[in-house]
Amino acid sequence: AQTVTQSQPEMSVQEAETVTLSCTYDTSESNYYLFWYKQPPSRQMILVIRQEAYKQQNATENRFSVNFQKAAKSFSLKISDSQLGDTAMYFCAFIGSSNTGKLIFGQGTTLQVKP
Amino acid sequence: GAVVSQHPSWVICKSGTSVKIECRSLDFQATTMFWYRQFPKQSLMLMATSNEGSKATYEQGVEKDKFLINHASLTLSTLTVTSAHPEDSSFYICSTLEGNEDEQFFGPGTRLTVL
Repeated sequence: AQTVTQSQPEMSVQEAETVTLSCTYDTSESNYYLFWYKQPPSRQMILVIRQEAYKQQNATENRFSVNFQKAAKSFSLKISDSQLGDTAMYFCAFIGSSNTGKLIFGQGTTLQVKP
Repeated sequence: GAVVSQHPSWVICKSGTSVKIECRSLDFQATTMFWYRQFPKQSLMLMATSNEGSKATYEQGVEKDKFLINHASLTLSTLTVTSAHPEDSSFYICSTLEGNEDEQFFGPGTRLTVL
């Protein structure tokens, strides 16, 4: 079975600092996709960043970057220069090539950015 | 990315009544839609996969007779919570697949409160 684990229920960071959210996953598939989604207080799910497993290069989107360690099945999210608007719940998610599009979510990490 | 709407955004109903939630893809034809349920401060739980023109596929433990899903057109899927009870109070989110079927786009969600 495929699983996604986020071991940090809550985290906080000072504005302008850097924070890293952890995620590990388990799968026997060789081809898959990994995502980080953000859910702000409005509860709208927003895609932050995605990573294709076959790509060795870590994905980057402005202040957001990932550290993808395929052998270790680890997919952490780094947020640089944290902003108050980054306050949200963050979900790590997985889609396997055999999943027919079904997302498997981690438990979520609530991030509080403090002024 | 794809634009997905949900209606209503918030509904309150009496115990024993049925409630219908609509999910629409506004700018593309969605053959597959997903329905999720989310309790406060928890992750999204996949309830079912809705396929246009065919029966929905329900996840284990989800009562198909209680949560009726209809996907009669390529732009609309509906979730009907039948004989709702207070324990059905939750946040319901739909999503669609687009393009290479490796990315989901989410609706804004519907908050259901059953009195």
